[in-house]
Amino acid sequence: GDSVTQMEGPVTLSEEAFLTINCTYTATGYPSLFWYVQYPGEGLQLLLKATKADDKGSNKGFEATYRKETTSFHLEKGSVQVSDSAVYFCALISSGNTGKLIFGQGTTLQVKP
Amino acid sequence: ETGVTQSPTHLIKTRGQQVTLRCSSQSGHNTVSWYQQALGQGPQFIFQYYREEENGRGNFPPRFSGLQFPNYSSELNVNALELDDSALYLCASSFSGRGLLNEQFFGPGTRLTVL
Repeated sequence: GDSVTQMEGPVTLSEEAFLTINCTYTATGYPSLFWYVQYPGEGLQLLLKATKADDKGSNKGFEATYRKETTSFHLEKGSVQVSDSAVYFCALISSGNTGKLIFGQGTTLQVKP
Repeated sequence: ETGVTQSPTHLIKTRGQQVTLRCSSQSGHNTVSWYQQALGQGPQFIFQYYREEENGRGNFPPRFSGLQFPNYSSELNVNALELDDSALYLCASSFSGRGLLNEQFFGPGTRLTVL
């Protein structure tokens, strides 16, 4: 079945460092891809999305490009802030699906001042 | 615009009991999905309701059931609680329509502890 694999955490960075969180997926057809963020004690918030190959999703300085050839959707940010500390989830919706999100296991990011 | 709300925030039950969790959809949304998030894991899809009918189900036993009401709010019921049911339960609402990507907006969740 369809699945999402994320890099293991936690990831600890200093403020203004470059961030990459790896995400790869297995799916038939052409899924839509998402990054969600979960701040402590809160629900999930959609960070960015991409619906077809080579699309780049971006929001709040974060970017991810849908790479079908490598089945990847890595999250990047050029300069992280302490306020970016959270758990990040990569997810997909299979093509033709009614909306069942399939999530990776999450990657905890801690940014130190 | 009111976002997705869930109640209660926290709940403690014992094995074998039954529990009902509630979710109010975001205004204008007609679809509700429920997810179970165990500690340190990603959310797992339980089921989805569209226009008061179940519209897809994940790998969860029948003791997990749900309802959607005419105002698109929803309930998740779990019977015969087991220790492994301890988790954060997330509700997400969305608008389902022809040709639209089913972008889901999540509530803050209900933390269920089964003792």
